[in-house]
This record gives sequence, C-alpha cells and structure tokens, in this order.
Amino acid sequence: KQEVTQIPAALSVPEGENLVLNCSFTDSAIYNLQWFRQDPGKGLTSLLLIQSSQREQTSGRLNASLDKSSGRSTLYIAASQPGDSATYLCAGKNSGNTPLVFGKGTRLSVIA
Amino acid sequence: DADVTQTPRNRITKTGKRIMLECSQTKGHDRMYWYRQDPGLGLRLIYYSFDVKDINKGEISDGYSVSRQAQAKFSLSLESAIPNQTALYFCATSTGFGQPQHFGDGTRLSIL
Repeated sequence: KQEVTQIPAALSVPEGENLVLNCSFTDSAIYNLQWFRQDPGKGLTSLLLIQSSQREQTSGRLNASLDKSSGRSTLYIAASQPGDSATYLCAGKNSGNTPLVFGKGTRLSVIA
Repeated sequence: DADVTQTPRNRITKTGKRIMLECSQTKGHDRMYWYRQDPGLGLRLIYYSFDVKDINKGEISDGYSVSRQAQAKFSLSLESAIPNQTALYFCATSTGFGQPQHFGDGTRLSIL
C-alpha cells in the first residue's frame, strides 16, 4: 500500500529565498505524483503532475522532480513571495484502479 | 464561475440527521470523487465514480452513500450523521486515468 509523507509539517522562509519542499513515498511502482496548493478555506489547486516516465516538470517559478528509486519528489520554488504562503500537498497514484494517496502537507509561510 | 461547485459551503447539523452534500462541475469530466480532510489525517477518499453507471467505494465509505445523477452532478449523503463525521469535504473531477484532479472549494460540515 502506497504511503506518502511530507516533512517538515511547517516551514517559514524570508521573501526572495529559493526553497525545496519534500515528499516521500513507499512504493516505487508509483504511476504519477501530483503537487497541490491549498489556501485557507479553499480547495486544492493542482500545480504540477509528474508521470513515472518523467523526471521533472516546470511551471513558472515551480519545478517538481520525481525519483522513483529513492522514493522522493521535491517541489522547488524559486524567488519565493508572500503570495506563495499556503499549504502544499503531494499525492501519489499507483497504476490500476487505485486512489490518490495524499501526504499531510507542508504549511509554508513566506515572510516579507 | 467555479468549474467545480460544492453546496453548501458550510453546514452545522445535529447527530442523527440526514445530510446531502452536492457537487456540480462544468469541466465535462467523466470522473468525480469525494474526499474528506481531517486535521492530522490528510485527505481520504470516500467514493468515486468513473461515469454515471460506475460508482466505487473508497478508503472510508462506511456511513456514506453517493448518487451520480448526471455526468455533471455527484452527491454525497450521510444517512445518519455522527460527530466523528465532522470534517472538510471536497469534491474533485478528472478527465481520466492518471490525469490531474481538480477540486472544489469544499464543504465544512460540523455535526453536534
């Protein structure tokens, strides 16, 4: 059974800093991994989805990587801004009729 | 207008009451999902539907039922609500296997 872990649970950084959010998964047979952003009182916004055949995906200041052999994915945020403050969740999906398995998220605060 | 709309946004009710949460989408996606989010537990899948005639139980379906009235509508019912069903409930959609999921803004449900 796939398990997804995000450490740390919370992170605070000064504005302008480049940062990395971590996501670990237990089953290397992962099919894809999706990163989401959740703002307080809001739903989840899909940021990036990486297929198992890919090593990374980029969107603007965001870059997500996937390393199946080590069971890790990272979300890199360049030149962080206060508007990036939110909870970031990763979710892994195995092949077949299996559900997305979510981590508990990392709450990011970018301080101006 | 939001692509995935959940109603109501907030609901407070009493133990034993029947509750229905509704989800409608304008994205034209075939697949729809219901999740609950609890502090410290992350998101967990309740039910999912691949089309109007295909409904499947998720990880935590006990105490819940669903109805897929049309491609665009997927309702979640709590037949006899209990306090430990107090949570944030999310509806999500996707186009198909391995594709990104898109979430509504959630329903905050409190059962007294």
